[in-house]
Amino acid sequence: QKEVEQDPGPLSVPEGAIVSLNCTYSNSAFQYFMWYRQYSRKGPELLMYTYSSGNKEDGRFTAQVDKSSKYISLFIRDSQPSDSATYLCAPREGGSEKLVFGKGTKLTVNP
Amino acid sequence: GAGVSQSPRYKVAKRGQDVALRCDPISGHVSLFWYQQALGQGPEFLTYFQNEAQLDKSGLPSDRFFAERPEGSVSTLKIQRTQQEDSAVYLCASSPDRERYTEAFFGQGTRLTVV
Repeated sequence: QKEVEQDPGPLSVPEGAIVSLNCTYSNSAFQYFMWYRQYSRKGPELLMYTYSSGNKEDGRFTAQVDKSSKYISLFIRDSQPSDSATYLCAPREGGSEKLVFGKGTKLTVNP
Repeated sequence: GAGVSQSPRYKVAKRGQDVALRCDPISGHVSLFWYQQALGQGPEFLTYFQNEAQLDKSGLPSDRFFAERPEGSVSTLKIQRTQQEDSAVYLCASSPDRERYTEAFFGQGTRLTVV
């Protein structure tokens, strides 16, 4: 079993839909939880991160972490075609420099 | 505005050939990372530098892989005697300092194809 599991999709939604992207993890030492967006043939770019459990909102994006169930979520409201990309969750242990990436979920938002 | 720059963008190597991949981090960034991303997978950690010191090389898959950052800025990832399983995108990332690993900025990657 990999440390971080993420459904690779693909996920296809109409413009304006609410999108829910999720990861589960097994390492209890993870303390920082990052979400990256990767467009085709580009490097990942950091969307947002949370520390420990809780919610964080940034515009149309909300990140949630539930450490008790080891579950990470990213919600996208009012999705746009420009949101079409692969979304990668990437937690890391406190004091460690190493990100542990999920496989990524490929999202397509149709106009 | 200079981001993380990687060269070459694409590299085709014959099996058994040695290759060198270059990373120019954002100016002044202390931390530098190399990741390997196979097709359809998330990036996997290879190695980490703080300035010129290689503090973690636990992800390097074999002794054919070697990374250096001699002056604490530009880094080179070298793969000796390339094999087909080395085909992947090699990503470099840098972050401002040890306290802000979460602000890692990635380059566009070098796509290595071993034939």
